[in-house]
Amino acid sequence: AQSVTQPDIHITVSEGASLELRCNYSYGATPYLFWYVQSPGQGLQLLLKYFSGDTLVQGIKGFEAEFKRSQSSFNLRKPSVHWSDAAEYFCAVNTGGFKTIFGAGTRLFVKA
Amino acid sequence: DTAVSQTPKYLVTQMGNDKSIKCEQNLGHDTMYWYKQDSKKFLKIMFSYNNKELIINETVPNRFSPKSPDKAHLNLHINSLELGDSAVYFCASSQESGGSQPQHFGDGTRLSIL
Repeated sequence: AQSVTQPDIHITVSEGASLELRCNYSYGATPYLFWYVQSPGQGLQLLLKYFSGDTLVQGIKGFEAEFKRSQSSFNLRKPSVHWSDAAEYFCAVNTGGFKTIFGAGTRLFVKA
Repeated sequence: DTAVSQTPKYLVTQMGNDKSIKCEQNLGHDTMYWYKQDSKKFLKIMFSYNNKELIINETVPNRFSPKSPDKAHLNLHINSLELGDSAVYFCASSQESGGSQPQHFGDGTRLSIL
């Protein structure tokens, strides 16, 4: 069965520093891949998605993610973090059906 | 013009009571979902409906009963509430086409059982 792993439960980054959040999936083929962000008291919002083609995808709020087939990874990056980026980030995978599997989430803390 | 709206936002009630959460989407999507998010933020699918038909029914106690009167609405009724039901419940929708479409989430309903 497919699975999604986000190895880091939480990460702390200084404002202005770069960020990378890790995501690994387990599936035989290339799934549909997503990153969502959840701010406190709100629902999940889509940051970006990957289906095929260019392995570097751009999303909203200055985020990007790179799909690496050889590593079964889809890591999220941002060159310069802002305090407002503090939130919970979820990687998600869909293998072509109605069910999307979400990772356990990574909580991002931003320090001044 | 909220895309996916849930009511109520907060629900505080006692064990043994019955409660309902309502969800409406104005995106014209075919598929709607209910998720449960626990205190550790883990998000678990409960149910999914596609064109008013139940297509996902995970291992959920039968005290939970979803109802979809039309494509734009998916309600969740919970009987005999238990302490372990305390969580945030999210409704979501997507324009389903083989899993490639992202989901749009409501802001959640925080259910607290006393």
